[in-house]
This record gives sequence, C-alpha cells and structure tokens, in this order.
Amino acid sequence: GQQVMQIPQYQHVQEGEDFTTYCNSSTTLSNIQWYKQRPGGHPVFLIQLVKSGEVKKQKRLTFQFGEAKKNSSLHITATQTTDVGTYFCAGVYYGGATNKLIFGTGTLLAVQP
Amino acid sequence: DTEVTQTPKHLVMGMTNKKSLKCEQHMGHRAMYWYKQKAKKPPELMFVYSYEKLSINESVPSRFSPECPNSSLLNLHLHALQPEDSALYLCASSQGAGNSNQPQHFGDGTRLSIL
Repeated sequence: GQQVMQIPQYQHVQEGEDFTTYCNSSTTLSNIQWYKQRPGGHPVFLIQLVKSGEVKKQKRLTFQFGEAKKNSSLHITATQTTDVGTYFCAGVYYGGATNKLIFGTGTLLAVQP
Repeated sequence: DTEVTQTPKHLVMGMTNKKSLKCEQHMGHRAMYWYKQKAKKPPELMFVYSYEKLSINESVPSRFSPECPNSSLLNLHLHALQPEDSALYLCASSQGAGNSNQPQHFGDGTRLSIL
C-alpha cells in the first residue's frame, strides 16, 4: 500500500542547533502537508505544499517539496525548546480520495536547553 | 485551544460495554474524520464523512460504528472492543469535502482504554 516514510525517527539537538526531517513517498503526491504534535497534544497544521519544487518559509521553518513530488523536507534553523514535538508529513495521492491524508511515520524532536 | 471539541477526554471501558465518542465543530466545515493513534505512531485514518455522508471506511472492524447526525457533529459508537483498540481517537474537520487543498483541524482526542 501507499506509505510515507520519514527520517530520522528521533533527533536530539542542543538549543540553537539546526534540525531537518525528510519525508519520502514511493509514488507521486498531489500535495503534502506538515503537522506538529506536541507531547500529549494533537496534530496541528503547519503548511501545505502543492507545486513541484515549492519552497515556503515560516519564520525559522523552511519547507520544501521535491521536483518529482515524491519527497519533502522541513528544516528548522536555531531550534528552541518550544520546537519540541513530533513532526509529521502527510500526503495526498493522485487518483486517491482527495481528502485522504497518508501520514508519514513522524520525527520526534527533542531540544536540550 | 482547539476549534474541534471532543468528549470525553478519557474513557475506560470493558470489552462488553457500549459507549460513544463525540466530536463537534462550528467552523462550517463539510468534511469530518476519525483517526486512531497508537503511542509513538502516526494517526491512522478510520472514517471520512463528506457532506454528512460516509465517503471513506478504511476497512475498520464493525465494532466501530460512525455516525454524522448533522454537519457539526460526528459520533463514534463503540461496542465489544478489544484491548488492542486502546488508543487515542482523534476527530478532525476540514473546510472542503472534495478539495484536497485544505488543512485538517484536529480535536484534543479521546484517550480510550479497554480493560
């Protein structure tokens, strides 16, 4: 079936260091969304990428969608303790139900002050 | 604060009990979702309602029965659950039922434990 893999599964950084998580799909995606889930919380929508090669920035967060629309990345510059949580990418596939999100496996980010 | 409200926040039930999870949103969204999330795993889609009609059932066992009484409410009826059904159950909604370019808004979830 359709799977979206993320690496790494877990990342521990010192506050101020950068962080990147990568998301890979075996088949082409229609679009990809990113969510953040704090420990004990619920997923919160961060951004959506639709176009091939698209890059979007939100303050210290930079999101990219690959040229082939099969992969994506999230980069955080100068992490802060408030960045702690699990980051999920979630893809929508061509030919699938338009509102069916396939969540990636997630990357848990720990930030040491 | 979340605009999707789920009740109860916690639920402990025996395998022979019948209970219901409730979800409510007042954002005018026309698509609503149930997800199941086990610890340290991503949310897994269970059901999707579009314009109050069931549009996706991800081969969920019949002991889970969804219901959408109106455009603001979504229920999940539970009966004869198994211990492996213990998980966080998340409700979500999105604006457009037929458009994939819509973020999903999640509730805080119901943490369910089956004894």
